[in-house]
Amino acid sequence: LAKTTQPISMDSYEGQEVNITCSHNNIATNDYITWYQQFPSQGPRFIIQGYKTKVTNEVASLFIPADRKSSTLSLPRVSLSDTAVYYCLVGDNAGNNRKLIWGLGTSLAVNP
Amino acid sequence: DAGVIQSPRHEVTEMGQEVTLRCKPISGHNSLFWYRQTMMRGLELLIYFNNNVPIDDSGMPEDRFSAKMPNASFSTLKIQPSEPRDSAVYFCASGVQREITDTQYFGPGTRLTVL
Repeated sequence: LAKTTQPISMDSYEGQEVNITCSHNNIATNDYITWYQQFPSQGPRFIIQGYKTKVTNEVASLFIPADRKSSTLSLPRVSLSDTAVYYCLVGDNAGNNRKLIWGLGTSLAVNP
Repeated sequence: DAGVIQSPRHEVTEMGQEVTLRCKPISGHNSLFWYRQTMMRGLELLIYFNNNVPIDDSGMPEDRFSAKMPNASFSTLKIQPSEPRDSAVYFCASGVQREITDTQYFGPGTRLTVL
């Protein structure tokens, strides 16, 4: 099964850029890479998705190298409200069913 | 749109009792997911429906757990009998799935405590 690996936690300060890297060595050819954000007492929320190179939206950027074995979520100029857990998600075509493999998440703490 | 609706938001029950969690997906979505989240194990996919049909239930922990989706606007997750180790937050998510990693929209979750 594919497996994602992320740092357990990260600390940052307001106004800084934060980069969270996810490792997914066994990503399948057709898989997309998706990142979710989860605040306490809420369900995860979609942030960004990409297949290769770079994707940018109003919230974040996602960098994916050519081999696609990792991806980096970049949050520009974080604020206190960006304190949350960030999950990296890739699909895994295991046998006849496709399984969703969620990373354990990276707990980001943004300090004043 | 109201988003994914889950009920109840909190449930406290005693070991051995039956627990039923409910989910109303976003209208027009054709896929529905049930997840369980704990501090120790993180977010675990329990079962995935597509067009009301269970596609992958390999994450269902044991026979005590069952899930149904009788129509496109309603799903239930039932635990019978419940045990203290079932205490967790249970999330329902829905989406328009072309690929399994397509965007999922999560509900607020049901916090289950089994005493």
